Amino acid sequence: GAVVSQHPSRVICKSGTSVKIECRSLDFQATTMFWYRQFPKQSLMLMATSNEGSKATYEQGVEKDKFLINHASLTLSTLTVTSAHPEDSSFYICSARDSGGADEQFFGPGTRLTVL
Amino acid sequence: RKEVEQDPGPFNVPEGATVAFNCTYSNSASQSFFWYRQDCRKEPKLLMSVYSSGNEDGRFTAQLNRASQYISLLIRDSKLSDSATYLCVVNSWGKLQFGAGTQVVVTP
Repeated sequence: GAVVSQHPSRVICKSGTSVKIECRSLDFQATTMFWYRQFPKQSLMLMATSNEGSKATYEQGVEKDKFLINHASLTLSTLTVTSAHPEDSSFYICSARDSGGADEQFFGPGTRLTVL
Repeated sequence: RKEVEQDPGPFNVPEGATVAFNCTYSNSASQSFFWYRQDCRKEPKLLMSVYSSGNEDGRFTAQLNRASQYISLLIRDSKLSDSATYLCVVNSWGKLQFGAGTQVVVTP
């Protein structure tokens, strides 16, 4: 099946710093990628839809200035958590939809962010 | 009200037994439905799509009831490796809505 990678897999940072997470589709092109956040024992919550070459679409309640998304190519989307705070600590997962395929989204392995 | 609701469990199942659980969804216009499996601290992985007529994939059987807006998953002959959290996922206009998951623990 299609492979999506995320980097880094785990990051610990100090409060106030910015953290960039990369999501790559390795063997297919993805016009659309999605960013999710999952808190312990809760469901994945869609944060934003990332569209190649255009601005991301953010879900209600997600601050676009805090969670910067860039989808510069058909295989790479980045999420930058700016001025991170402890409450931003979470599991961030991206997914990608094959531009030439069906509806299925392929998930990256996730990034565990801990803000001290 | 949550878009997708699931019984969190855990469902403790003896190895070899059958377990079944449901989820309900609120958006009657949802187009497609899935069960994903998520292991602890890992990403979700697609288990199977769910079709209106019901479908089976090996030991797993999924059913969809659009009128009542619920989806079910049945696991037969449970294996220890089936222990995981099962996520009910609903696709509404290209966006996936996830349930919080049902935890299944298969015991020897």
